[in-house]
Amino acid sequence: GAVVSQHPSRVICKSGTSVKIECRSLDFQATTMFWYRQFPKQSLMLMATSNEGSKATYEQGVEKDKFLINHASLTLSTLTVTSAHPEDSSFYICSANPRTGNTGELFFGEGSRLTVL
Amino acid sequence: EDQVTQSPEALRLQEGESSSLNCSYTVSGLRGLFWYRQDPGKGPEFLFTLYSAGEEKEKERLKATLTKKESFLHITAPKPEDSATYLCAVRPLWPGNTGKLIFGQGTTLQVKP
Repeated sequence: GAVVSQHPSRVICKSGTSVKIECRSLDFQATTMFWYRQFPKQSLMLMATSNEGSKATYEQGVEKDKFLINHASLTLSTLTVTSAHPEDSSFYICSANPRTGNTGELFFGEGSRLTVL
Repeated sequence: EDQVTQSPEALRLQEGESSSLNCSYTVSGLRGLFWYRQDPGKGPEFLFTLYSAGEEKEKERLKATLTKKESFLHITAPKPEDSATYLCAVRPLWPGNTGKLIFGQGTTLQVKP
């Protein structure tokens, strides 16, 4: 299947610093990518939709100034957690659909575990 | 409100003991229902997509079925390597211009040798 890659897989940072997570589609172009967040023993919650060449669309309750999303190219989206705090510690996962339109499955990256001290 | 509920929350089976996982959904309209497998500390791995009631798909020991209100993931003669969390997700018809998924809480399956 299609491959989506995330980097880094794990990151530990101090409170107040910013952390950038990259999401790449390795063998297809993705005009849209999705960023999810998963707390321990909970399911995935959509944070935002990353759109190539335009602003991201954030879900209700997600602070766009805290979670900066940049879809720099058709194969790369980045999520920057700004001024991170311990409550931002979570598992962040990106996904992308290799097909155009709204059909087909989403393929997910391996996830990035963020720990804020 | 679009909603996905999975049951049971956790399931322990002996190797070879077949069982089923349930995914009940409420959506304004269904564009697709997806099953994923997630291992600890990893992203979800795609298993199946179902689009219409009555549809069935199989892959090795897994078989997914769909009705208008729920989906089942049947596991036949499971092996320890089938141990994982199985996630169900739906893509609603509305909003129509995104590919976002609504996930259930997952069923954590443990298969003992």
